[in-house]
Amino acid sequence: EVQLLESGGGLVQPGGSLRLSCAASGFTFSNYAMNWVRQAPGKGLEWVSTITDTAGGATFYADSVKGRFTVSRDMSQNTLYLQMTTLRADDTAVYYCARRKAYAFDVWGQGTMVTVSS
Amino acid sequence: QTVVTQEPSFSVSPGGTVTLTCGLSFGSVSTSNYPSWYQQTPGQAPRTLIYTTNSRSSGVPDRFSGSILGNKAALTITGAQADDESDYYCVLYMGGGNMIFGGGTKLTVL
Repeated sequence: EVQLLESGGGLVQPGGSLRLSCAASGFTFSNYAMNWVRQAPGKGLEWVSTITDTAGGATFYADSVKGRFTVSRDMSQNTLYLQMTTLRADDTAVYYCARRKAYAFDVWGQGTMVTVSS
Repeated sequence: QTVVTQEPSFSVSPGGTVTLTCGLSFGSVSTSNYPSWYQQTPGQAPRTLIYTTNSRSSGVPDRFSGSILGNKAALTITGAQADDESDYYCVLYMGGGNMIFGGGTKLTVL
């Protein structure tokens, strides 16, 4: 069964850092670009970041997180990461890991909640 | 700044047909934006319905179809059912690795 399982969310103070993980199973992880998508409470979905499937993994970010967030992947562990720094209150959201297929998101995790508050 | 536009809300009668749209604040949506559509109910992860304009994701009934209508992408639901009541989001590929979601449409079936 194809599955994505996020972890690492929690409560963090403004200006703090957090690293999210997404464990992939049931498919050849290295063959797919992977993404992070977030959803603030009561709001819509927002694309955050993409890392490609190529060796070296090209990365792309939404303007709202560029320079503060870093996406990476460990092919040996079938795991996707999102390192988040200089967190702000408006980063509070459920963060979803999603597999990319043909410029779309075809498999989603269940999400992990990040709350930025003092 | 590019904005992807969707109707904030829509209503359809059970058994009826509804078309939700996805546009751009500037310009037209084309197949080169690879529009895709997602369904989300409260507290749940999104479910992929349509990708690359009109391809149905695995397990999605053929009541759901995607297209380009005029200068927008469109999601049509035929024979609406009660459990179609959800939020629907489109996303467009904008080049350079960037993807933008629309604000979502809250569909009511009544």
